[in-house]
Amino acid sequence: AQKVTQAQTEISVVEKEDVTLDCVYETRDTTYYLFWYKQPPSGELVFLIRRNSFDEQNEISGRYSWNFQKSTSSFNFTITASQVVDSAVYFCALSAAWDTDKLIFGTGTRLQVFP
Amino acid sequence: EAGVTQSPTHLIKTRGQQATLRCSPISGHTSVYWYQQALGLGLQFLLWYDEGEERNRGNFPPRFSGRQFPNYSSELNVNALELEDSALYLCASPGVGLADTQYFGPGTRLTVL
Repeated sequence: AQKVTQAQTEISVVEKEDVTLDCVYETRDTTYYLFWYKQPPSGELVFLIRRNSFDEQNEISGRYSWNFQKSTSSFNFTITASQVVDSAVYFCALSAAWDTDKLIFGTGTRLQVFP
Repeated sequence: EAGVTQSPTHLIKTRGQQATLRCSPISGHTSVYWYQQALGLGLQFLLWYDEGEERNRGNFPPRFSGRQFPNYSSELNVNALELEDSALYLCASPGVGLADTQYFGPGTRLTVL
């Protein structure tokens, strides 16, 4: 069975702090994809990143960085120097390579960045 | 290119009625995915349509159904509405970005009174 766990329900930080959102996944598949999406108050899910299971390189995109560790089944997301506009609910998701049409989502982490 | 579009933005119905939600995928893509985001239940996969056919279905009762039209737009129908059907319904489509990545529309918020 596939499962995604985001243990942090809500995180509050002050602007310019760094923050890490945790994601732990379970799957029996050897080939799979991991995703992060951002859901601002408007409700639309915004795609941030996709990683496949064979690519464990960390990735940095501006203030965002992702740490994929297969050994611990984790795909954590760090925002450096957080800003108020980063306030949103962040979802981690998983799909099997053979069933990419069904995304399994974690329960989300609500990030509040205060000025 | 235009993104995924959904209508209406909000929909208010009473228990027992039927609701119809609409979605258009990103131009040139044939697949449409439906998800339900209910309070306390998170995002759950509902249905996948491709080339006019239902290809996959999540763990939802048969009163959740839909169809896909020749232009690849899709309708989600929810019959015999129950209070717990109140949720944000999100539609997704593949896009010109990474393959096997779903891009989401703005959603339809359904409220059942």
